[in-house]
Amino acid sequence: EAGVVQSPRYKIIEKKQPVAFWCNPISGHNTLYWYLQNLGQGPELLIRYENEEAVDDSQLPKDRFSAERLKGVDSTLKIQPAELGDSAVYLCASSAGQVNTGELFFGEGSRLTVL
Amino acid sequence: DAKTTQPPSMDCAEGRAANLPCNHSTISGNEYVYWYRQIHSQGPQYIIHGLKNNETNEMASLIITEDRKSSTLILPHATLRDTAVYYCIVRANNFGNEKLTFGTGTRLTIIP
Repeated sequence: EAGVVQSPRYKIIEKKQPVAFWCNPISGHNTLYWYLQNLGQGPELLIRYENEEAVDDSQLPKDRFSAERLKGVDSTLKIQPAELGDSAVYLCASSAGQVNTGELFFGEGSRLTVL
Repeated sequence: DAKTTQPPSMDCAEGRAANLPCNHSTISGNEYVYWYRQIHSQGPQYIIHGLKNNETNEMASLIITEDRKSSTLILPHATLRDTAVYYCIVRANNFGNEKLTFGTGTRLTIIP
């Protein structure tokens, strides 16, 4: 079975440019997460979806970040415009929504470099 | 969710048991202990979790003290592929609390 798929793996852009990341979760997983990971730090939650509904977006900087999960499957995270401080790895994860397992499946991440 | 304290780094000889400690002295009765690891350039990977009993699976063993204020992740025969950052996380498994909050973890280096 395929794991969580993210693209692109690497992206280099100039500041003020837009960028988008795509995530395809494991089939059947209702819960989808976007995490941000800065160098040397643990991942930090940006947004969590239950099906197509964003149920926790309190850490998403809404002035420049947006996300969507149409039809409750794939998701896209967008940054517009990008700033130098947005350089980081953006991780997508999914889970079956069975709370007691606590097992999240992560993709390999999308590494963003803003010049 | 309760906070955890882990040493920033550890070394272990290849083939030996790697014992990674975690302190979670403020853990609540309904909070589980989770361990994840992150190999370089990959996303985090689930290892194991437990509430109060010791747990073992094909990857590792989890030993939780009787007072639940600390735990140890044991990799019984470490290999070079176990070099990674290991995260100890505590979380209550109740509806609406499905996220995981990561700290900075322990960077484990397996020495040949």
